[in-house]
Amino acid sequence: GAGVSQSPRYKVAKRGQDVALRCDPISGHVSLFWYQQALGQGPEFLTYFQNEAQLDKSGLPSDRFFAERPEGSVSTLKIQRTQQEDSAVYLCASSLGGLVAFFGQGTRLTVV
Amino acid sequence: AQTVTQSQPEMSVQEAETVTLSCTYDTSENNYYLFWYKQPPSRQMILVIRQEAYKQQNATENRFSVNFQKAAKSFSLKISDSQLGDTAMYFCAFISRNSGNTPLVFGKGTRLSVIA
Repeated sequence: GAGVSQSPRYKVAKRGQDVALRCDPISGHVSLFWYQQALGQGPEFLTYFQNEAQLDKSGLPSDRFFAERPEGSVSTLKIQRTQQEDSAVYLCASSLGGLVAFFGQGTRLTVV
Repeated sequence: AQTVTQSQPEMSVQEAETVTLSCTYDTSENNYYLFWYKQPPSRQMILVIRQEAYKQQNATENRFSVNFQKAAKSFSLKISDSQLGDTAMYFCAFISRNSGNTPLVFGKGTRLSVIA
């Protein structure tokens, strides 16, 4: 596609519910990053993929967070047993492996 | 660990005027890049300008320019001839080039309002 696409754009989840957030990177981009952006804050790194390999997951806040990219293109960020502190915008970015990362429009998750 | 600090949570500027957004960072590395990203209400991060740490010349992109002071670890963004469409959150970001593909480290952002 022409840009990074994320879905859904908005998600409301009841506390304790599992959610899955999808990222379609730009075709051919080997690097894919997930960031979490709390209200009024800058994005914070969650995890990084190079093709299908998850090379860094040091930013995942707990073992309730899980990300995958099985075929080296689409990635899914899964949050199990959501809690209110998980409410944030989740941003996905992809790059060819160089410096410039292209971002999607994010998914705004609200846990009620 | 690298940190990025933006000390101005909010700023405003009259249309057609010039505004400067501040950013400082802390790192022990020599090989890195700095960026300014714009985030409008649509939430999509848009790259505004980037600076390579080993280049002394300040980067310029049309109405946007930076003042990069490496010794002071300062990286400010100047927007000239401000337009209503410049209204957005602006984030300063750092990336290390010493260890392969590393993530961006962002500041907390500055909310810029351009007033007609």
